[in-house]
Amino acid sequence: AQRVTQPEKLLSVFKGAPVELKCNYSYSGSPELFWYVQYSRQRLQLLLRHISRESIKGFTADLNKGETSFHLKKPFAQEEDSAMYYCVSSSGGYNKLIFGAGTRLAVHP
Amino acid sequence: KAGVTQTPRYLIKTRGQQVTLSCSPISGHRSVSWYQQTPGQGLQFLFEYFSETQRNKGNFPGRFSGRQFSNSRSEMNVSTLELGDSALYLCASSPSPQDGYTFGSGTRLTVV
Repeated sequence: AQRVTQPEKLLSVFKGAPVELKCNYSYSGSPELFWYVQYSRQRLQLLLRHISRESIKGFTADLNKGETSFHLKKPFAQEEDSAMYYCVSSSGGYNKLIFGAGTRLAVHP
Repeated sequence: KAGVTQTPRYLIKTRGQQVTLSCSPISGHRSVSWYQQTPGQGLQFLFEYFSETQRNKGNFPGRFSGRQFSNSRSEMNVSTLELGDSALYLCASSPSPQDGYTFGSGTRLTVV
C-alpha cells in the first residue's frame, strides 16, 4: 500500500536559516507527488507538484527515486513560511491523495 | 472566482443518527474528492467522483457514502453515526486531478 512518511512533527528554525522538510514515500509504481500547505486559519492549498518542477515562494522539491524521497527545501526561511506542510502522493490517475502526517514549520524572528 | 464551498460549517449530531454534508466545487471542476481529518489518523481519503461516477473509494465502512450530481455538486452521507466519526470533513475539487486539488474549509462534525 502507498504510504507517505514525514518524520518530523515540528521543525523550528530562525528567519534566514535554510529549511528542509523531509518526506519519504513507498509506492511500487511511478509516484506523483505534491506538497500542500495550510497557513493559520486558512484552507489547505497546493504548494507545488513534482511533475512541474517549479519553485513556489522560494520552495523547491526534488524527487529522488533511489532514496524514495521528496524533500521540500528553501534556502532562507521567512516568518510567513510558518505553516503546516503535508507531503502527498497519489495513485495512478491522481484522484486519490495519500497524505503524510504533516510537519509544522515554525520560523522565529 | 468562488472557491470550494462546504455546508454546513459545523454540525452536532447524536450517536446513531445520520448526516449529510454538501460540497459545491469550483465552477468547471468535475472531480470532487472527500477526506476525513482527525488528530489521530490525519487526513484520509474517503472517495472521489467524476461526472457522477465514483472512481475511487478509501478504506471506510459502508456507512460512509456519497454521490455527485450533474452540476458536479457532491454530497456525502454517514449513517448510524459513531463517536469516532467526529472529524473535520474536507471536500476538494479539481478540473483534472494531475493539476492538484482545491480544498474547501471543511465541515466539522461532532458526534455526542
